[in-house]
Amino acid sequence: QVHLQESGPGLLKPSETLSLTCTVSGYSVSSHYYWGWIRQPPGKGLEWIGTIYQSGSTYYNPSLKSRVTISVDTSKNQFSLELTSVTATDTAVYYCATPAEGVFRLGQFDYWGQGTLVTVSS
Amino acid sequence: DIQMTQSPSSLSAFVGDRVTITCQASQDISNYLNWYQQKPGKAPKLLICDASNLETGVPSRFSGSGSGTDFTFTISSLQPEDIATYYCQHYNNFPLTFGGGTKVEIK
Repeated sequence: QVHLQESGPGLLKPSETLSLTCTVSGYSVSSHYYWGWIRQPPGKGLEWIGTIYQSGSTYYNPSLKSRVTISVDTSKNQFSLELTSVTATDTAVYYCATPAEGVFRLGQFDYWGQGTLVTVSS
Repeated sequence: DIQMTQSPSSLSAFVGDRVTITCQASQDISNYLNWYQQKPGKAPKLLICDASNLETGVPSRFSGSGSGTDFTFTISSLQPEDIATYYCQHYNNFPLTFGGGTKVEIK
């Protein structure tokens, strides 16, 4: 059974760095096709942040590209999101997600974490 | 970037009604379209991939159609448990983008 769980600080000050980790069970982060991060500001729609592939290749939303890094830690079976220089507009629920086994479509997310709210406020 | 325009942004219908949501892409995306259902406080759930392929376990009252730039999502007989916000999402290329969402409520 596949399970994803986000973790990280829930409150940040402007200009700080957001760091979130997604702990995976049921899949190996080193062998599964890709892993993604999506966010949702309170009361608003979904925004794709970025994807990291098994190969290590990363793709980021151009609107965030200069501030985003997604990486994988195979020793802990986790993948992570870093977003630098946060502002209030980065306040959102952050989700980690991944496709089902055998899915090779570019961007299909079958499994999602429960989401974690990150608030940016001074 | 490909823009996904979803309409309506909200709708209210009776139990048993047929509900239709449209999603228009700003350029041809073939059939590279997903539909998700999101209930309040929960993560999105994938319902349909490839514009019309129902995911395993999803009730058959849900369906999708379309290709190119114009897509439709239908609930053939609205049920109380279908109260949610529905999103389309293309995967033609990066960046992936979502429609603005359609909030479905019961009259």
